Parts: sequence; C-alpha cells; structure tokens
Amino acid sequence: DSGVTQTPKHLITATGQRVTLRCSPRSGDLSVYWYQQSLDQGLQFLIQYYNGEERAKGNILERFSAQQFPDLHSELNLSSLELGDSALYFCASSVDSRGGEETQYFGPGTRLLVL
Amino acid sequence: QKEVEQDPGPLSVPEGAIVSLNCTYSNSAFQYFMWYRQYSRKGPELLMYTYSSGNKEDGRFTAQVDKSSKYISLFIRDSQPSDSATYLCATDTGRRALTFGSGTRLQVQP
Repeated sequence: DSGVTQTPKHLITATGQRVTLRCSPRSGDLSVYWYQQSLDQGLQFLIQYYNGEERAKGNILERFSAQQFPDLHSELNLSSLELGDSALYFCASSVDSRGGEETQYFGPGTRLLVL
Repeated sequence: QKEVEQDPGPLSVPEGAIVSLNCTYSNSAFQYFMWYRQYSRKGPELLMYTYSSGNKEDGRFTAQVDKSSKYISLFIRDSQPSDSATYLCATDTGRRALTFGSGTRLQVQP
C-alpha cells in the first residue's frame, strides 16, 4: 500500500458526460501528479499540482482540468467524455524536497469506461 | 523519437532464471532513472531508483545505468512466479514529471 488513495475504483459513464476523480496523497506529500494509462499510449503524465498551485502540464486535453484543495487532496475533472477517454487514471504524490529527484508513489487508480 | 524506449515483450522465463529488462533513453541530460513494477489492474510500485551512472542493488534486484550508451537495465536474480508483472522504466526529464517506457510484460513460469 503506497499510502495514496483514489476514488472511485471503477467508473462507467456515457459519452458527453462529466466525471470527477479524487485523490488523497500520502501524509506529508505536497505534490500531486495525474497520469493516464491506456493500451495504445502507455502511462502518460497529465498535470502536477504543488501545495494548491498548478506546477506542470503534460498531455492534458482542454476538456480535462484538475485542482488541489487546501487539505492537499486533488480532483481530476473530465468533461465531454469520448470513447477514447476510457483508460486507467492514476494519481501519484511526492514530498517535493526541491533538492533533486522526487520519488513518486502511485495510487491504485480509477478505471474509467466510457460507453 | 520517444524519450524512453522499452521492449514490450512479453518475456517468459522459468522460475529461478536471471531476468534482464532494458530501456534506452534519448537525452544524455537525464539523470534520474526508476523502475516500477505494475501488477495487473494495480498502480505502479517503485522498485528501484538510480541517479546518474552505476549500479544499485536491492535484494534480488539490480538496477544499472550506462550513460555512455544511454541504456538502463534491471536484473532480477532467482526469479519467482510472484515477479510476473509489467516492469516500467522511467526517467525524470526535468519537467517535474516522469516519462515512462511502454513497459515489458514478464511471466515467470513455475
């Protein structure tokens, strides 16, 4: 158990809908990262938040957005869902020591199926 | 060219074999390298982390970085059926996010 929690574990929805995925980082970790894992694209970085502020953006679609709250939990919002958004969405967290590499610990993921 | 390339496998070995998993990376400026293990339907789990060049050993696992050839390896000694998983190499490209290889699926046959 990495200490990172994600809810829900599974989500089934229809095209055009909007969903919210939730992540609680490990105790003491200030940074939260969101990744998408699909069969054709592999594990890809979406966005990072540090202590409530957006720090880095990856291959995140405009239909997707995220935020990190004062209690450091984070939410990833996916809207106008398409079939191709079906994937595993992972949250990871790190301490963010600013001194070099930041080991990221991954949560169990949310499996999204868009029908 | 992808920043990190990894042979997807699958790789099937008998129990007790030495397993060698490999990745190449594109940018000689990359310094931090990780190996994650991912069981089916689970999140990636950090196995090994190395900085710059050299070897790092942890139990049955050895991570190796060869910066001259931009090659990273993970060796598993005395492989067990419980080692059956997908192994992902990753690097911190300096943009505060990890870039992953596509993963190699390993099956250790009892």
